[in-house]
Amino acid sequence: AQTVTQSQPEMSVQEAETVTLSCTYDTSENNYYLFWYKQPPSRQMILVIRQEAYKQQNATENRFSVNFQKAAKSFSLKISDSQLGDTAMYFCAREGAQKLVFGQGTRLTINP
Amino acid sequence: NAGVTQTPKFRVLKTGQSMTLLCAQDMNHEYMYWYRQDPGMGLRLIHYSVGEGTTAKGEVPDGYNVSRLKKQNFLLGLESAAPSQTSVYFCASSYPSWNYGYTFGSGTRLTVV
Repeated sequence: AQTVTQSQPEMSVQEAETVTLSCTYDTSENNYYLFWYKQPPSRQMILVIRQEAYKQQNATENRFSVNFQKAAKSFSLKISDSQLGDTAMYFCAREGAQKLVFGQGTRLTINP
Repeated sequence: NAGVTQTPKFRVLKTGQSMTLLCAQDMNHEYMYWYRQDPGMGLRLIHYSVGEGTTAKGEVPDGYNVSRLKKQNFLLGLESAAPSQTSVYFCASSYPSWNYGYTFGSGTRLTVV
């Protein structure tokens, strides 16, 4: 089975710090999409950022950016100037065969 | 408001009972999905549909059935609930292009006792 791996079950940082969440995946496709979703305590799944594999430029959305290494099949999420509202579960996902495959998630806590 | 609506939001079942979870979307999305979320395991795909009248098995389909008789609705059925089906269930929908990823429902917390 094609998998997505998030190797950090939990992370904790102080407010205003920068934090990087790791994600690796496997795929036999050349073009595909990658996503990061945020799930706060409300349980709602929120799209944070997406990346098309054929685009070499790393995606950025305000304080959120990715480091996409296609050859290494790595897709990490960097959160700059972290805020208390960033406390959530974060899921990495890879698109393939008409569906998304998710990683196990990283629980991120931002401390005041 | 446009989006994905799941009903019910919470349910407690006894072992052996049956129930149906309803997912409705009003965005004219072709694709619809049912996932379950369990601690430490992320979201695992149960069944999905790429169009009205079509369904396919995902990673963990045993014990569940689905139907997509109308494009906007995707039903998930549990014929004989088991404690192992205690989970949070998410419905999602998307266009065939992946520019926007999934739109998720708010989830259903199901407990089987």
